[in-house]
Amino acid sequence: GAVVSQHPSWVICKSGTSVKIECRSLDFQATTMFWYRQFPKQSLMLMATSNEGSKATYEQGVEKDKFLINHASLTLSTLTVTSAHPEDSSFYICSALSDRAGHEQYFGPGTRLTVT
Amino acid sequence: AQSVTQLGSHVSVSEGALVLLRCNYSSSVPPYLFWYVQYPNQGLQLLLKYTSAATLVKGINGFEAEFKKSETSFHLTKPSAHMSDAAEYFCAVGGSGAGSYQLTFGKGTKLSVIP
Repeated sequence: GAVVSQHPSWVICKSGTSVKIECRSLDFQATTMFWYRQFPKQSLMLMATSNEGSKATYEQGVEKDKFLINHASLTLSTLTVTSAHPEDSSFYICSALSDRAGHEQYFGPGTRLTVT
Repeated sequence: AQSVTQLGSHVSVSEGALVLLRCNYSSSVPPYLFWYVQYPNQGLQLLLKYTSAATLVKGINGFEAEFKKSETSFHLTKPSAHMSDAAEYFCAVGGSGAGSYQLTFGKGTKLSVIP
């Protein structure tokens, strides 16, 4: 089946630094990818929709200057958390919408970010 | 606006017993409905989805769900629980058309299976 990978799977960074998370569709192309955030014992919250070659669309309340999204190719989207703070600590999950007929959506395994 | 309510954050069943995980939704457009399973430290795996075809949807691993418009429900069932079913289950709703993939998730239900 289709696979979406995320890298890194786990990262610790210091407050004030930036961290980049990669989301790759390994065996299919994805014009559209989504970024979600999941707090402990909470649901996934859609942060933004990433479209290849264009600016991401952010959900209400998500700071676009803090969560920079780049979708430079049909298989890669990146999320950069800039000037990270402890409250940014969370589980970040991406999903990729396959360009194949049927447009199935596949989720990555997630990246756990801890900001100290 | 869309929303999803999953009744019961934690459900325990005995191995071999019926699994019933409840989901109610709210949507201003005909909804697409999904059930996902999440194992520890893993991403979401699609169990099944409803996209306005048959109201009884069969998914993987023996799970099925029935769309009931009058009750705005999409409950997930499995006749006989296995130990391997222990995981977190999320119900999600998407709109129709281009918005069908921008999902709103419920808070999840953790399923425990007792041997």
